[in-house]
Amino acid sequence: GIQVEQSPPDLILQEGANSTLRCNFSDSVNNLQWFHQNPWGQLINLFYIPSGTKQNGRLSATTVATERYSLLYISSSQTTDSGVYFCAAASIQGAQKLVFGQGTRLTINP
Amino acid sequence: DGGITQSPKYLFRKEGQNVTLSCEQNLNHDAMYWYRQDPGQGLRLIYYSQIVNDFQKGDIAEGYSVSREKKESFPLTVTSAQKNPTAFYLCASRVWGLGQPQHFGDGTRLSIL
Repeated sequence: GIQVEQSPPDLILQEGANSTLRCNFSDSVNNLQWFHQNPWGQLINLFYIPSGTKQNGRLSATTVATERYSLLYISSSQTTDSGVYFCAAASIQGAQKLVFGQGTRLTINP
Repeated sequence: DGGITQSPKYLFRKEGQNVTLSCEQNLNHDAMYWYRQDPGQGLRLIYYSQIVNDFQKGDIAEGYSVSREKKESFPLTVTSAQKNPTAFYLCASRVWGLGQPQHFGDGTRLSIL
């Protein structure tokens, strides 16, 4: 099945900094989602982005499907951005079953 | 409000006991999913259902059972055969078909007494 790898595993930044999180996947996808898991465990949908570029406020994401990677950009980080960010992908042959990466733990210090 | 409701938020199981986690959605979504998350890890798929009265095993189905008698409900039973059930369980749903994202409930934390 499809493999999903995220990097870096941990990222510590000061408030106001910018960050880039990467997601590599091993097969052609028809679903790719980015999530933010807050300290209470809630999984918040950030982007549905199997290809192309989307922006939502300080967050944006780009997926280059032909090269099998996706990037999540966070600009002007705030302490509330802290948490774990997950990338999840479903392959075209995968019956829409999302496979999750191991996540990037982001810590924003004041 | 439309959404996915999981209950209870916290659940404790005694050794040898079966417990059932509830997942209800009022989004009129066709497909529903159950995932397990262990500390510091990503989510892993337990079971999923595309339509009523049909469901498929995911990657870690052993020790779990599900039913899909109604479109809006997809309960998960953690049986006594699941030897390491302590985890965070998340339910998700989506409209079936290409180009449709999954939406998640707030989860249930299961612990062993």
